[in-house]
Amino acid sequence: QSALTQPASVSGSPGQSITISCSGTNSDIGVYNSVSWYQQHPGKAPQLMIYEVSNRPSGISNRFSGSKSGNTASLTISGLQAEDEADYYCSSHTTSSTLHVVFGGGTKLTVL
Amino acid sequence: QVQLVQSGSEVKKPGASVEVSCRASGYTFTGYYIHWLRQAPGQGLEWMGMIHPGGHSTNYAQKFQGRFTMTRDTSTSTVYMELSSLTSEDTAVFYCARDPAWDWAFDIWGQGTMVTVSS
Repeated sequence: QSALTQPASVSGSPGQSITISCSGTNSDIGVYNSVSWYQQHPGKAPQLMIYEVSNRPSGISNRFSGSKSGNTASLTISGLQAEDEADYYCSSHTTSSTLHVVFGGGTKLTVL
Repeated sequence: QVQLVQSGSEVKKPGASVEVSCRASGYTFTGYYIHWLRQAPGQGLEWMGMIHPGGHSTNYAQKFQGRFTMTRDTSTSTVYMELSSLTSEDTAVFYCARDPAWDWAFDIWGQGTMVTVSS
């Protein structure tokens, strides 16, 4: 069981927008602005899409945006494209004494 | 370009140990933390620990303490991880990833190393 909770799957049609939620607690998302989002295509390493809740690394499309409210973070992908079909993972720093970073279980995005 | 290149896949028997290397290039090796993460087949990502190649400070997830060791060789810009007392539950892809000091984000990832534990 993952520390952060994500929906198992979401879907959308090309051109539409989708939002993936990531629910945590006041030990992680609720107290830190250290939420990151990763995209992972099958058989590939994860790629950083969003860091510090809403910042995009250089080279990442502005179709990807992030936000946070309370203990829940969200990733929004606008103008869906076929190549956006992948697994998406959220992560956060945590106050836990047993580890520093927690992840969500991942969300499979299907572009219809 | 900035990259992390990991060693190849491994097959180990239960109870054995495995070492995976992660060679950095294209940036100042001693300036950034390197983290290790793993992903069991069909599962999500799990953080294992971190090492600062410059000062050799390490931090381990409690789950792995006692059987997980990270080291570095600054002469070859390589970080190593060793996991001992392997069980079938350790079968996973292991990744190294660079921490650019963007608040616990990982911007550069190795290609992954598949470790299979099977008798």
